[in-house]
Amino acid sequence: DAGITQSPRYKITETGRQVTLMCHQTWSHSYMFWYRQDLGHGLRLIYYSAAADITDKGEVPDGYVVSRSKTENFPLTLESATRSQTSVYFCASSETNEQFFGPGTRLTVL
Amino acid sequence: GESVGLHLPTLSVQEGDNSIINCAYSNSASDYFIWYKQESGKGPQFIIDIRSNMDKRQGQRVTVLLNKTVKHLSLQIAATQPGDSAVYFCAEIGNSGYSTLTFGKGTMLLVSP
Repeated sequence: DAGITQSPRYKITETGRQVTLMCHQTWSHSYMFWYRQDLGHGLRLIYYSAAADITDKGEVPDGYVVSRSKTENFPLTLESATRSQTSVYFCASSETNEQFFGPGTRLTVL
Repeated sequence: GESVGLHLPTLSVQEGDNSIINCAYSNSASDYFIWYKQESGKGPQFIIDIRSNMDKRQGQRVTVLLNKTVKHLSLQIAATQPGDSAVYFCAEIGNSGYSTLTFGKGTMLLVSP
């Protein structure tokens, strides 16, 4: 009964590299979300998905790409990482208004 | 885990006191509100929610009050315990059709034994 998991938990990369953060949920929730959390900004929505093959931009989508080929997975890709993308990334899923969050991935871009 | 508490409003209380955490929201069309608790190094965890047609909702040791006139939300924690130390976020859902949450910036609650 894993719930919602994220991998890796920690990642260090260099500017310009492509990075993919993984998110997996076992509840078959329809909705999935990606947030970033930065000091002074709280949680900001990057992308979300209402179902497989349906995705939409959130508040801060620039520099990120998502896909959702299967209901349970919602990977987030940084196509060319920048230092400003250093952050803690949280994935969440929901079937109702209550969102369940994963443990987060701390990404550092050097 | 990363400290998200720096630069946040902080409320310091003694164990056993009642705590009140406040939140101002921006969208008068929001019809659903949630309080989340985030402990250091973890993801946010649901505490309690309230719909816009309610003024008050109670849970176990927590009460949420909603004042739509001034767009203000508060979370009251009774008999605060050291385990309540965390960052607390309010979040609102508008009427967009998708369940997208807009989070406030958070308040850190520090409970001293």
